[in-house]
Amino acid sequence: NAGVMQNPRHLVRRRGQEARLRCSPVKGHSHVYWYRQLPEEGLKFMVYLQKENIIDESGMPKERFSAEFPKEGPSILRIQQVVRGDSAAYFCASSQGTENYGYTFGSGTRLTVV
Amino acid sequence: DAKTTQPPSMDCAEGRAANLPCNHSTISGNEYVYWYRQIHSQGPQYIIHGLKNNETNEMASLIITEDRKSSTLILPHATLRDTAVYYCIVRAPYNFNKFYFGSGTKLNVKP
Repeated sequence: NAGVMQNPRHLVRRRGQEARLRCSPVKGHSHVYWYRQLPEEGLKFMVYLQKENIIDESGMPKERFSAEFPKEGPSILRIQQVVRGDSAAYFCASSQGTENYGYTFGSGTRLTVV
Repeated sequence: DAKTTQPPSMDCAEGRAANLPCNHSTISGNEYVYWYRQIHSQGPQYIIHGLKNNETNEMASLIITEDRKSSTLILPHATLRDTAVYYCIVRAPYNFNKFYFGSGTKLNVKP
């Protein structure tokens, strides 16, 4: 029973390129959350999605960032025209959405912009 | 969601109990207390959660005061592998399912 799978584990992009981060939730989980952790800082909420719907994107930067969770396939966090300040660890979590359940987190994708 | 206050760091001797406090004086009646930890550079790991009763599982115990304004996470026999940042989070059910991670407590388990 696999947990949350994120890939790639490490991603290096040059400034101006696009970064695509993938997250496959725990089987049976229909709620996905993305968090960002800058070096030496805590985790910051970015976006909450259910299948085919963005429920809350209040933590997402208004420009260059987008997320989706299609009916089939993994959730994708897309960062266009990356800048050095986007270098961070990006964590995905999933849940069943039931009130008492916590989240299961993936191991993260470490994005480095050079 | 209620704000939580945790000490920035704590030390604990290997094999001894680690008691990590958390204040959540503005907690509402329907908010749960959750504990997660993040071992260096890994994804956060769920530890335990509770509403008003004390809880215990294979990892830890959670003691919630009667007025629910504070709680303590207890690791009964800390090992070096328990060195991590521990986050105390309070959340109401159906509140967009968001967890707000504060600064947490860095627990250093020493030999």
